[in-house]
Amino acid sequence: SYELTQPPSVSVSPGQTARITCSGGALPKQYSYWYQQKPGQAPVLLIYKDSERPSGIPERERFSGSSSGTTVTLSITGVQAEDEADYYCQTSDSSGTVAFGGGTKLTVL
Amino acid sequence: EEQLLESGGGPVQRGGSLRLSCAASGFTFGDYAMSWVRQAQGKGLEWVSSISGSGGSSYFADSVKGRFTISRDNSKTTVFLQMNRLRVEDTAVYYCTKVPAPIVGTITYFQHWGQGTLVTVSS
Repeated sequence: SYELTQPPSVSVSPGQTARITCSGGALPKQYSYWYQQKPGQAPVLLIYKDSERPSGIPERERFSGSSSGTTVTLSITGVQAEDEADYYCQTSDSSGTVAFGGGTKLTVL
Repeated sequence: EEQLLESGGGPVQRGGSLRLSCAASGFTFGDYAMSWVRQAQGKGLEWVSSISGSGGSSYFADSVKGRFTISRDNSKTTVFLQMNRLRVEDTAVYYCTKVPAPIVGTITYFQHWGQGTLVTVSS
């Protein structure tokens, strides 16, 4: 198994850009994925294959992903109160093993 | 519209068994791998198991290997998770998820999620 490390919390003021990082030794060789989970709801896919965004959901255009070495980053531009949620990174390997990061709680000040 | 509807959760004693079901609709079920992901109260997401679109290959987290099995009935567009020798630490909401590919590997992620079913294991 392998680990993905996220900061437990990130705080940002409305209108600013939030950046949530995810670090792991396997990331240079494997794609990363990001999910948003609001209280009492199931997670929702935000980003796949490091930086691809699922189509058909315009409000998610503020979300983007990037990758650099052992760290991947989810960026949220123009943060809004509705973006307050838990965010999880995830990766998988050729053996079918899946790993999630511990999650980051985004607080909009 | 794609839908995943889990059922079968509930209370169970430690050492007992439970079978979760996930009824899928709105897509060609056999073309996609399916997975189960769980979340304990107040905790993060944990991948549990995946099965290929044909049902010929299955994968398990170390924490459940040897206790859980996964299967699917493509004619009934349903995936199952059989959980045996349950432990208190298996208590969680179990989500059924759709993988946007027929096989599981380096490009395995969860495109669509059900609303989850709660499993509570008591001692």
